[in-house]
Amino acid sequence: LAKTTQPISMDSYEGQEVNITCSHNNIATNDYITWYQQFPSQGPRFIIQGYKTKVTNEVASLFIPADRKSSTLSLPRVSLSDTAVYYCLPKNTGFQKLVFGTGTRLLVSP
Amino acid sequence: DSGVTQTPKHLITATGQRVTLRCSPRSGDLSVYWYQQSLDQGLQFLIQYYNGEERAKGNILERFSAQQFPDLHSELNLSSLELGDSALYFCASSVEAGPDYGYTFGSGTRLTVV
Repeated sequence: LAKTTQPISMDSYEGQEVNITCSHNNIATNDYITWYQQFPSQGPRFIIQGYKTKVTNEVASLFIPADRKSSTLSLPRVSLSDTAVYYCLPKNTGFQKLVFGTGTRLLVSP
Repeated sequence: DSGVTQTPKHLITATGQRVTLRCSPRSGDLSVYWYQQSLDQGLQFLIQYYNGEERAKGNILERFSAQQFPDLHSELNLSSLELGDSALYFCASSVEAGPDYGYTFGSGTRLTVV
């Protein structure tokens, strides 16, 4: 599985856009990039998944450049409730265990 | 409600005891995964089952075991409990194949060993 690197923590204010970048230099050809969000004492929640270029849903956008060695999760206009840990994980289309790294702890302040 | 049900939500037990954690996957999901999250630590993969069969194993201790039943629910058995086994235990489920939009996690079982 590709090893991922993310910032340990980020700080932001309400209403700002937050971009969290994850590097995955040795991502496999058949790997997608998935992002999960975890609140304290809760299970991780799937946010978004992509393979290349840009994917957008009601929660976030995911940007993956052509070389796919990194990806950026973009959270528009964050609120206090977006304070959580965000994990970037490679995943192929078959069954596999998800290997969670340390994630990025996002703190949104008023 | 994610659709993945874990029981009990909280469990307090003494060292040396044995406990069973239960997970009911989301309807239609054949695969179940168990994770352990200790205080200030990341999510550690324990074991995966698919349609009743063990599919992958992580850093699961020999004192721990799991199984998936014909109705697809899964149980994680923890025995000879130690203080260090205190953690949140999460179960996740997923569909078999095809367009896959992520794994669904339950709300976890908080185990406290005293």
